[in-house]
Amino acid sequence: GEDVEQSLFLSVREGDSSVINCTYTDSSSTYLYWYKQEPGAGLQLLTYIFSNMDMKQDQRLTVLLNKKDKHLSLRIADTQTGDSAIYFCAESLNNNDMRFGAGTRLTVKP
Amino acid sequence: GAVVSQHPSWVICKSGTSVKIECRSLDFQATTMFWYRQFPKQSLMLMATSNEGSKATYEQGVEKDKFLINHASLTLSTLTVTSAHPEDSSFYICSAREPRENIQYFGAGTRLSVL
Repeated sequence: GEDVEQSLFLSVREGDSSVINCTYTDSSSTYLYWYKQEPGAGLQLLTYIFSNMDMKQDQRLTVLLNKKDKHLSLRIADTQTGDSAIYFCAESLNNNDMRFGAGTRLTVKP
Repeated sequence: GAVVSQHPSWVICKSGTSVKIECRSLDFQATTMFWYRQFPKQSLMLMATSNEGSKATYEQGVEKDKFLINHASLTLSTLTVTSAHPEDSSFYICSAREPRENIQYFGAGTRLSVL
C-alpha cells in the first residue's frame, strides 16, 4: 500500500521498555524519522536514521531499520511517564516531501 | 536542533473573518516550508508546500483561495485562512526544511476555533 503504518496504541508500565513499530512504503527513502507530539503541541524531532544504517542509539532511544522488510522501530528504554505522547514515524520521499504514519499513542502507567 | 516559531498558538474568531498564522525559522534559512492540518486524534495532512519567492504548491483538495500562503522571505511563511467557517476549526502546524540536514523542524502549532 501507500501508507506508512503504525499501531495506534501502546501501553507500558513505568520503567519498562517501549517498542513502537512502523512499516514504510518507499524502498528508496533516504531518511526515516521519529517525531514526538505532546498534547496541544507541535512535533518534536526525536531521532532519524539514514537508510544505509541498521541501528542508531541515542541515550534511551534505539532505532532499528530493516530495509528488506521496510520496517522501522523505536525502542525507549526505562520508559517514564513523561514519555507519554504520540509518536509519528515518517519517511522522506524522492521529492523531499515526507510521508507520516498515523501516530502511535504511548501511555505510560505508573 | 533548529527552531521554528509559530504564532499565534491559539486563536478564536467569528465566522467570516480571516486569520493569519505565521511560521518563522529562527536560526536557519528555509527556502521550503510546509503547512499541515491535523484533525483530533489523526495524523498530519499536508496542505501545501511553501516556496520562497514563488507560488505555493497545494495538495489535491485544498482550496488555494481559501488558504492563502505567502513565503516572502527565507525565514517567514504565512498562512491566511480567509472567510473562516466552523469547519475550518482545526490544529494547523507548519514546518521548515533545514537545508543542510534535509530535516523538517516543526512549529508548536496553532489551534484555530471558528465560532
